[in-house]
Amino acid sequence: NAGVMQNPRHLVRRRGQEARLRCSPMKGHSHVYWYRQLPEEGLKFMVYLQKENIIDESGMPKERFSAEFPKEGPSILRIQQVVRGDSAAYFCASSSTFNEQFFGPGTRLTVL
Amino acid sequence: KQEVTQIPAALSVPEGENLVLNCSFTDSAIYNLQWFRQDPGKGLTSLLLIQSSQREQTSGRLNASLDKSSGRSTLYIAASQPGDSATYLCAVSGSAGGTSYGKLTFGQGTILTVHP
Repeated sequence: NAGVMQNPRHLVRRRGQEARLRCSPMKGHSHVYWYRQLPEEGLKFMVYLQKENIIDESGMPKERFSAEFPKEGPSILRIQQVVRGDSAAYFCASSSTFNEQFFGPGTRLTVL
Repeated sequence: KQEVTQIPAALSVPEGENLVLNCSFTDSAIYNLQWFRQDPGKGLTSLLLIQSSQREQTSGRLNASLDKSSGRSTLYIAASQPGDSATYLCAVSGSAGGTSYGKLTFGQGTILTVHP
């Protein structure tokens, strides 16, 4: 069984561009979570999705950030008009129920 | 608001020692608690999951305990090895009155170094 897959693993964007991060959950998992790890800071929850539904987006910045988990295909975290402060590692996790979460390798975003 | 604290922030031990990592959380109304390890520049590896109704879980040389009423968990590593060197993270899910049991709140981690 493949684990949680994230791509790209590294992403470089210039200020003002858009960043799209993709996450494919483990087979059989319908719950997806996104977390952000800023340099020298801990992991912070961003958003929790089930297929076609956002369950909890209490950790998402109010502007420029959005997430989706369509019926078909991977979950997407989208950051519009990136700024240098968005540089971080973005991790996706999945679970089958409200249970053990399995994490992907992360996408490291660098904003120039 | 749930807050998770891990002590110590860093720990350096010689190979073969038994060691204990501590985790405390402010809101005891958790759904479960998970311990992870993170290697530099890598993702998180789940080590142990303890449901709120459980007292402990064991996997190989690892044993995690949970005292929900006092808001504490410990991770015990027996016979430490250099390959155990990593950052260990504690995370709790759920909160009083919340509906998102899936949301994990993380501690800052304990950086463990095991030297030969």
